[in-house]
Amino acid sequence: QKEVEQDPGPLSVPEGAIVSLNCTYSNSAFQYFMWYRQYSRKGPELLMYTYSSGNKEDGRFTAQVDKSSKYISLFIRDSQPSDSATYLCAMRRNSGNTPLVFGKGTRLSVIA
Amino acid sequence: KAGVTQTPRYLIKTRGQQVTLSCSPISGHRSVSWYQQTPGQGLQFLFEYFSETQRNKGNFPGRFSGRQFSNSRSEMNVSTLELGDSALYLCASSLAVSGVWVDYEQYFGPGTRLTVT
Repeated sequence: QKEVEQDPGPLSVPEGAIVSLNCTYSNSAFQYFMWYRQYSRKGPELLMYTYSSGNKEDGRFTAQVDKSSKYISLFIRDSQPSDSATYLCAMRRNSGNTPLVFGKGTRLSVIA
Repeated sequence: KAGVTQTPRYLIKTRGQQVTLSCSPISGHRSVSWYQQTPGQGLQFLFEYFSETQRNKGNFPGRFSGRQFSNSRSEMNVSTLELGDSALYLCASSLAVSGVWVDYEQYFGPGTRLTVT
């Protein structure tokens, strides 16, 4: 079993829809959780970062962490065609400068 | 502020050859990490350097190596290339004070697309 599992999609939604992206993980030591967005032929860029459990909102984006279920989510409200990209979840342990562990990414297409 | 730069952007090599990729971090960032991204395995951690020292290493064979210079620029080298080494190689830099990440954010470069034929 991989440490981080993420449905690769592709996921196709109409413009304006609410998008839900999810990851599950197996290592209970993970404490920092991130969502990255990667456009084609570009490097990933950080969208959201949360520590431990709870919700965090930033504009149209909401990140949720449920450590009891080892499950994290990213919600995108009022999705736009410009949101079409691959979304990667990433996480790391709370010890020193341990490396990030990434999900494989979910490819999202928002259709106008 | 200039972002992370990687050179070259695209590279085609033949099996058995070696290759060196370069990464210039954001000014002031002293931690540089390298990742390999493939459709099958996703983003996988290769190694991380801080102050010219390798601090973390992923599960890759010894053919993959790297180094960091005193100006924080980093290079990674892959020797005896195999077809399976075809991938996007990403470099990411982080702000680290006294060896500890300050904000845990990694800023990624655009990557080097390596094709091995």
